[in-house]
Amino acid sequence: DGGITQSPKYLFRKEGQNVTLSCEQNLNHDAMYWYRQDPGQGLRLIYYSQIVNDFQKGDIAEGYSVSREKKESFPLTVTSAQKNPTAFYLCASRIQGMNTEAFFGQGTRLTVV
Amino acid sequence: DQQVKQNSPSLSVQEGRISILNCDYTNSMFDYFLWYKKYPAEGPTFLISISSIKDKNEDGRFTVFLNKSAKHLSLHIVPSQPGDSAVYFCAALGTGTASKLTFGTGTRLQVTL
Repeated sequence: DGGITQSPKYLFRKEGQNVTLSCEQNLNHDAMYWYRQDPGQGLRLIYYSQIVNDFQKGDIAEGYSVSREKKESFPLTVTSAQKNPTAFYLCASRIQGMNTEAFFGQGTRLTVV
Repeated sequence: DQQVKQNSPSLSVQEGRISILNCDYTNSMFDYFLWYKKYPAEGPTFLISISSIKDKNEDGRFTVFLNKSAKHLSLHIVPSQPGDSAVYFCAALGTGTASKLTFGTGTRLQVTL
């Protein structure tokens, strides 16, 4: 079955540590996105990539980094520079250049302890 | 700069009645609009979309209306069912400055018996 997979579902991090969230898709989609959701908030775009080896900052990129070395994978690193990392993180993918929907993973809940 | 706005954070509707969820946008480069449904701790699921060349799109109980001159779209759910209770997000895509998938802040719909 084709889909988009985020792992892990729950993640705990100590303050000052970097942590990497995984996002893998087998839908052959060019475009991938990372969003953050806080309680009572909408989905805010962190980074997005429209093609392998290229990515752009979204609206709240500070304290985050990404890579896009393979079409299937778009990992997100939450660095120690991110002041409020506790949130629900969502990854999505879609066909680039066409009017089509984005498909989402099930999300990763990151908690800083 | 919130380019996609959902001004009603919550809406309560009786079962069987119509639910109307609204969304406004500011970027005239948006030309494709989507609605997603989201349950807590899950990824959003796609509901329905509309291209800017249309003013209406219908899929079963769900209809989306687009008013380009007012930069406004709405999602109608008829008849509303208890299983429709969730948070609904509108999203927009376009070209140039609008090429990233941008979400609104969401509206929590509660369908009561």
